[in-house]
Amino acid sequence: DIQMTQSPSSLSASVGDRVTITCRASQTINVALNWYQQKPGKAPKLLIYAASGFRSGVPSRFSGSGSGTDFTLTITSLQPDDFATYYCQQSSITPLTFGQGTTLEI
Amino acid sequence: QVQLQESGPGLVKPSQTLSLTCAISGDGVSSNTDAWNWIRQSPSRGLEWLGRTYYRSKWFNDYAVSLKSRITITPDTSKNRFSLQLNSVTPEDTAIYFCARGPSYFDFWGQGILVTVSS
Repeated sequence: DIQMTQSPSSLSASVGDRVTITCRASQTINVALNWYQQKPGKAPKLLIYAASGFRSGVPSRFSGSGSGTDFTLTITSLQPDDFATYYCQQSSITPLTFGQGTTLEI
Repeated sequence: QVQLQESGPGLVKPSQTLSLTCAISGDGVSSNTDAWNWIRQSPSRGLEWLGRTYYRSKWFNDYAVSLKSRITITPDTSKNRFSLQLNSVTPEDTAIYFCARGPSYFDFWGQGILVTVSS
């Protein structure tokens, strides 16, 4: 199985900050990397697909980059609604696997 | 707009079979471009993909290797839904179970259903 490792596990930030979350795959996955946001009691919500693809309706302050094994999710100018847990997920081969999550706290 | 809705018992006894159904609206289980997934989430395991079913001129399934001997995902074309069966459950299978549309990234999810395995 491809292991996905996110860092940091948790992150404290303030409204208006720029934050970056990193995801590393245990083997190369080209750009088959997706990012989700999850709030308590809710299902994850797709933010970015194929490493840098923007999903319609997602604010432009969210962006993704990377290829191979190393990927980043960047949130510019944090808004109150952005405090949540973020997950990466590889879609290169089955089993599809997720990172352990990064909790973004105020 | 695609909507998914999980249903099934919230409590299952150890050694019994967990059975859940995901009703689809706004898309078809027989779509030639989508796949229909089960994913679970627990504090100990995080988000765990369980498997998927999809139609590409015929039906295919992929399953997590760790569950392959216990899991079955079945489409129901007459009711536009798909189901999960997980046999011989233990308390380790206690989790929130989600259904989601694939095939690679999950763009639509159900709200999730908590299933507790306990006697």
